[in-house]
Amino acid sequence: SYVLTQPPSVSVAPGKTAIITCGGTNFGSKRVHWYQQKPGQAPVLVVYDDSDRPSGTPERISGSKSGNTATLTVSRAEAEDEADYYCQVWDGGSNHHVILGGGTKLTVL
Amino acid sequence: EEQLVQSGPEVKKVGESLKISCQGSADTFTYYWIGWVRQMPGKGLELMGIVYPGDSEARYNPSFQGQVTMSADESTRTSYLQWSSLEASDTAIYYCARLYDYGYYFDFWGQGTLVTVSS
Repeated sequence: SYVLTQPPSVSVAPGKTAIITCGGTNFGSKRVHWYQQKPGQAPVLVVYDDSDRPSGTPERISGSKSGNTATLTVSRAEAEDEADYYCQVWDGGSNHHVILGGGTKLTVL
Repeated sequence: EEQLVQSGPEVKKVGESLKISCQGSADTFTYYWIGWVRQMPGKGLELMGIVYPGDSEARYNPSFQGQVTMSADESTRTSYLQWSSLEASDTAIYYCARLYDYGYYFDFWGQGTLVTVSS
C-alpha cells in the first residue's frame, strides 16, 4: 500500500522558517496537498496541487515538491502557526485512493 | 460554498450500534465524493474511506473494511457512517470532508463528531 512519510515533530523559533517534509514514491505523477489542524479544530486545507494556496492561507505558508519529497515551508513563523500538518495524495492504485501522511506537529518555541 | 454539518456527540456502550451523519448545504453535494476520517485521541488523521452520494458507491481503506458502513442519501444531501457493534477502540472524533475532484483534495470539512464508547 502507498505510504507518505512525515517527521513526527518540527520546532521553530518565532520569526524563523520551518520546513516540514513529506516523502513518497512516484511523486512526479501525483499532486501533494497539505492540511493544518489546530488543537480542538477540524483540519483546514492550506496548500493544494503541490504549491497553490486557497484564499485564507497566508503567503508565509508555501508548498513545493522536488523528486519524491514535498515540502511545506512556514516562513516568519508565528505562534498561530503551531499546529499539526498533514500531507495527502491521490493514489489510483489504492482502493480508497486518498492517502494521508502521519502528520507533523509544528511547535513554535 | 459547501458547508458540512455533522451530527452531535455520542456516548455509547460496547456492542451497541450507531449511525452518525454529515449533511451538506450545496446543490452540488451529490456530485462529489465524501471522505470519512477518524482521529483517535491524541493521534493523527486516518482515512476510513470515501462514498459517492450519487449512488452510495463506497471504497474502504482495507483497515476499516467490514468494521463500518458508509452510505449516502442524495435526497437529503446526507452521508452516513455506521457501526453495527461498537468497540471501545472506536472512541474517536470522526470527520467528513468533501473531495474536490479536480485535484482530489478535501476542500470542505465538517466540524467533527465525537464518539465515546465505554464498557
